Amino acid sequence: EAAVTQSPRSKVAVTGGKVTLSCHQTNNHDYMYWYRQDTGHGLRLIHYSYVADSTEKGDIPDGYKASRPSQENFSLILELASLSQTAVYFCASSGRDSSAETLYFGSGTRLTVL
Amino acid sequence: QQQVRQSPQSLTVWEGGTTVLTCSYEDSTFNYFPWYQQFPGEGPALLISILSVSDKKEDGRFTTFFNKREKKLSLHIIDSQPGDSATYFCAASAWGTQVVGQLTFGRGTRLQVYA
Repeated sequence: EAAVTQSPRSKVAVTGGKVTLSCHQTNNHDYMYWYRQDTGHGLRLIHYSYVADSTEKGDIPDGYKASRPSQENFSLILELASLSQTAVYFCASSGRDSSAETLYFGSGTRLTVL
Repeated sequence: QQQVRQSPQSLTVWEGGTTVLTCSYEDSTFNYFPWYQQFPGEGPALLISILSVSDKKEDGRFTTFFNKREKKLSLHIIDSQPGDSATYFCAASAWGTQVVGQLTFGRGTRLQVYA
């Protein structure tokens, strides 16, 4: 069974502060992703990575950085958190084989910026 | 610009009934369409998916239909159960040309099944 673990599960941050969301996967997957979910909206891709030490911009990268120090770990960094970044953040992983399109999601991190 | 549109936004059905969720898209390069199921407090999980070369795919009580000409797809749940109560997202990607996992999601349909 695929396993993607996110931490923390929830976080309250102050405007202008730095926030780091962490993700760890034990699926031996090459691809990892950060998606954002807002109430009443679908998920939107922020950043992704297909190999350690490399990250790529997704559809809404502004205000976010990502870091992939190893195959298992992928972090999302908000250098200067803003009110508009209040949302639930999901990390996901997928493989390189024929089932690569199946995303395995973590349980999410609920971020509130005050 | 919303590239993947879902309807209805919410839906209530009785146990044993048939649920129909619909989705439409605009980008003609989309060729892979997964449906994800999300329970409160959890991340989405793949329910069923279909490629544009097919017009129907079935998995137990869940069937997805695809109409390339109209750029529409639907998810049918027969014999709906209270345990099916969740939010359902349709998504799309240009498999083969787009980044793996770069999915465009609809806004979701919140389904409530009453016993």
